[in-house]
Amino acid sequence: EADIYQTPRYLVIGTGKKITLECSQTMGHDKMYWYQQDPGMELHLIHYSYGVNSTEKGDLSSESTVSRIRTEHFPLTLESARPSHTSQYLCASTMSGYEAEQYFGPGTRLTVT
Amino acid sequence: AQTVTQSQPEMSVQEAETVTLSCTYDTSESDYYLFWYKQPPSRQMILVIRQEAYKQQNATENRFSVNFQKAAKSFSLKISDSQLGDAAMYFCAFKKSSGDKLTFGTGTRLAVRP
Repeated sequence: EADIYQTPRYLVIGTGKKITLECSQTMGHDKMYWYQQDPGMELHLIHYSYGVNSTEKGDLSSESTVSRIRTEHFPLTLESARPSHTSQYLCASTMSGYEAEQYFGPGTRLTVT
Repeated sequence: AQTVTQSQPEMSVQEAETVTLSCTYDTSESDYYLFWYKQPPSRQMILVIRQEAYKQQNATENRFSVNFQKAAKSFSLKISDSQLGDAAMYFCAFKKSSGDKLTFGTGTRLAVRP
C-alpha cells in the first residue's frame, strides 16, 4: 500500500465543532488532493495543492479549508461542522509528470450529528 | 470539460469466471490517460491499470486487461479468473496529459460469488 496516511479513520462529532482531518505522505510528492466521497461512492475534488503555500479549490464547492505549510502535510479543516458535512474524505498525492498516478489514503469517515 | 460514465452500478461474477466493466468518456483532448482504480471495502483505493491514449496496444496487468477504443471513447476493464479479493468498487478515471486532476466515473460495485 502507498505511504499516505489519514487520521482519524472514523470521527463522530456534534454540530458546530471545529475539526481537522490530517493527511500526510512520505513519498515526497509535490501535489496533493482532497476528495469528498458521497454515500453513493462518487468522488468529488474539493481542494488541491501543487506545493508548499499553494492551495486551490476543486470542482465541488466545500466549506472546508486547507493549508500546505510542509510538503508532506495537507490538513483539511471544518470551522463549524454540520450534518451536511457527513461523508468520507479521501486524501491523495502524486508527483508531477504525465504518467504519474495518484496514490490514495485510507480515508476519514466523518459523521456529524 | 471531461465526463466519465460507468453505466453499470453493480456487477456480479462467479469465482474463476471473466467479467467486463464498462466505461465511456467524453473529451475534446487528443492526449490523455485513462485509469481503472479499485477500492476494496474499508481499504485504500489502488491503481489497477493505466492506458495512454497515444498507445494503440491495450494495457495488460496479470489478470486485468483493457479494451481501449479511442474512436468510440470506450475503455472497458476485463478481469479474468475472478477471485474473491477482486470484490470492490471499481472507478474509471480520465486525466489530460497536460494536467494532473482526475475525473472519475460513478463507480461499479463488483461482487464475486464463491
